[in-house]
Amino acid sequence: GEEVAQTPKHLVRGEGQKAKLYCAPIKGHSYVFWYQQVLKNEFKFLISFQNENVFDETGMPKERFSAKCLPNSPCSLEIQATKLEDSAVYFCASSQFQGRYNEQFFGPGTRLTVL
Amino acid sequence: AQSVTQLDSHVSVSEGTPVLLRCNYSSSYSPSLFWYVQHPNKGLQLLLKYTSAATLVKGINGFEAEFKKSETSFHLTKPSAHMSDAAEYFCVGSQTGANNLFFGTGTRLTVIP
Repeated sequence: GEEVAQTPKHLVRGEGQKAKLYCAPIKGHSYVFWYQQVLKNEFKFLISFQNENVFDETGMPKERFSAKCLPNSPCSLEIQATKLEDSAVYFCASSQFQGRYNEQFFGPGTRLTVL
Repeated sequence: AQSVTQLDSHVSVSEGTPVLLRCNYSSSYSPSLFWYVQHPNKGLQLLLKYTSAATLVKGINGFEAEFKKSETSFHLTKPSAHMSDAAEYFCVGSQTGANNLFFGTGTRLTVIP
C-alpha cells in the first residue's frame, strides 16, 4: 500500500496481559522501525528491521518486548505481561533505503492503555 | 552524543503572522535533520529534511528551514500562519549507521484567529 498501516488503533489491556500490535509497511520499503511515544512528546526508538532481519534492537526492553517481520505478513510488536508504564502510542515507520538522509513514513499509531 | 533540542514547548501566533519554531542540534559531524508535524490523534508527517545539499530547505505547506552550522540550528519558519497549521511539531535527527531517528520534545503551535 501507499501508507503505513497499523492495527489496532486502540488496545486496552489489564496489567500482566499480553499485547500484540501490527504494522504493514509501504509496499517496496525494506526497513521497518518501531517507536514508543510516552508522556505525549517523548519518542523512544525500539527496534528496526531490514526485511525480516533485525537491523537495530538497541532500544528494546528485551525481557518483555519482542518483534518480528516475516515474509508476506505484517510486522508485529508483542509485549508479554504488560505493565502500567507500557501505556503509550506505538508508531511504526518504514523507509525504502538505508541511510540517514532517507525519510521514514509513519503510520497512525496504536494507542496502548494498560489498566 | 547526538541530540536535538526544541527551545519552546508552546508557540502561539495570530493567523496570518509569521511562524518561528526553534531547534538546535548537537552533533560532531554534519547531521541529517527533519521536521515532522503531528496533528491530534494522527501519525507524523514529514514537512522537510536537510540532506546537506542546500542550507535553505523548502517543505510542504509553505514551511521552510535553514541549516546554520555556526549556530547549530535548524529553525522552522513560515511567512503566514494558517489555522490548519495548529499542531505539534517535532525536530528530528537521524543517527549514522543505525538509521533510527531521535526526536526533540516537540513544540505545540497554536494559531489564534
